[in-house]
Amino acid sequence: QSVLTQPPSVSGAPGQRVTISCTGSSSDIGAGYDVHWYQQLPGTAPKLLIYRNSNRPSGVPDRFSGSKSGTSASLAITGLQAEDEADYYCQSYDNSLINWVFGGGTKLTVL
Amino acid sequence: QITLKESGPTLVKPTQTLTLTCTFSGFSLSTSGEGVGWIRQPPGKALEWLTVIYWDDDKRYSPSLKSRLTITKDTSKNQVVLTLTNMDPVDTATYYCAHGTGGDPYYFDYWGQGTLVTVSS
Repeated sequence: QSVLTQPPSVSGAPGQRVTISCTGSSSDIGAGYDVHWYQQLPGTAPKLLIYRNSNRPSGVPDRFSGSKSGTSASLAITGLQAEDEADYYCQSYDNSLINWVFGGGTKLTVL
Repeated sequence: QITLKESGPTLVKPTQTLTLTCTFSGFSLSTSGEGVGWIRQPPGKALEWLTVIYWDDDKRYSPSLKSRLTITKDTSKNQVVLTLTNMDPVDTATYYCAHGTGGDPYYFDYWGQGTLVTVSS
């Protein structure tokens, strides 16, 4: 069981907007630690998508955005495209476990 | 341009020790702020952080695996080595090494392609 809770799956039609939540606790996200998001396309390694809550690495489309509030964070994807179909993971740090922590992952299906 | 690549056995027997090497380029682990982490992913399951080594040789381990894990670096060879003792079938996973950045605690901005390790007799 992952420390950070994500919905197992979300879906949306091309062009729509979807959000993926990441819920933590007072020892990780709520303690002020940043949240980062990774995209894992089928059969490939994870790729950094959002760092420090809301920053996009070079080359990541601005259709992807992140936010953080309290003990939770969210990833939003607008203008859904077929190529966005992937698994998405949030990551933070837990100061009670002294551990980097990942969410359980969310599978995005583009209908 | 940062690249990382994992290498090591694809099959190990239960109770054996796994040794994986991460060979990287595009940065130096002798440079302040740099780090390398290992993350694994059992088939069909989520990512699990294992360990991180910092440029100053500071090391952090997953509490649940700390007794079985060792991470070391060879700065001259641009390599980081992971050892995991007493392997069990539940340790079957794809093992990734990744470049740590962004201060402490790191996030991981570049990942290797991963190597699938199967534990079976």
